[in-house]
Amino acid sequence: NAGVTQTPKFQVLKTGQSMTLQCAQDMNHNSMYWYRQDPGMGLRLIYYSASEGTTDKGEVPNGYNVSRLNKREFSLRLESAAPSQTSVYFCASRMLAGGTDTQYFGPGTRLTVL
Amino acid sequence: EDQVTQSPEALRLQEGESSSLNCSYTVSGLRGLFWYRQDPGKGPEFLFTLYSAGEEKEKERLKATLTKKESFLHITAPKPEDSATYLCAVLRESSASKIIFGSGTRLSIRP
Repeated sequence: NAGVTQTPKFQVLKTGQSMTLQCAQDMNHNSMYWYRQDPGMGLRLIYYSASEGTTDKGEVPNGYNVSRLNKREFSLRLESAAPSQTSVYFCASRMLAGGTDTQYFGPGTRLTVL
Repeated sequence: EDQVTQSPEALRLQEGESSSLNCSYTVSGLRGLFWYRQDPGKGPEFLFTLYSAGEEKEKERLKATLTKKESFLHITAPKPEDSATYLCAVLRESSASKIIFGSGTRLSIRP
């Protein structure tokens, strides 16, 4: 049981390049999330998927797209990277069971856009 | 506007010196409040979920409490290994999926 996994761990891009951040969970959770974390700003929600086949915008969706490929996988795509997208990106899955609501986070992807 | 504010931004304590971290929120209907611990270079780790005013939860040296306007994370006799950033987040009644995070409190415990 690996929990939430993210690839890659580190990435350096040039302005204008594109890339996809991958996330997978093996806990059979319905909901999955993408956040970015910048110094002093906490975690900000980019996109989320409440269930397989659905995606919705969060606080800061501009410049990003997502795909909920199946119940396990939720990817985040940067079509044309900008220096403002330099950040640490976290994927999370959420469990709602037995009156307990819990989010599990991946280890993060550290992205630098030059 | 819905908001989550954590204070202080940073806190340095001596080992064994108990204290509390604050998370105040202004949301239109609280569905749940979460506490997480985050170590440097890692993803947040779930600690507690609180659902209603008056609720308390404990785990080792940590105790989380909830009122209608704020939550406290009490740390009793902390050890150096409790050093981390502690994050608070809220889930609103109006949105069952969107979770709003505060900016965190960096806690440092000196031996």
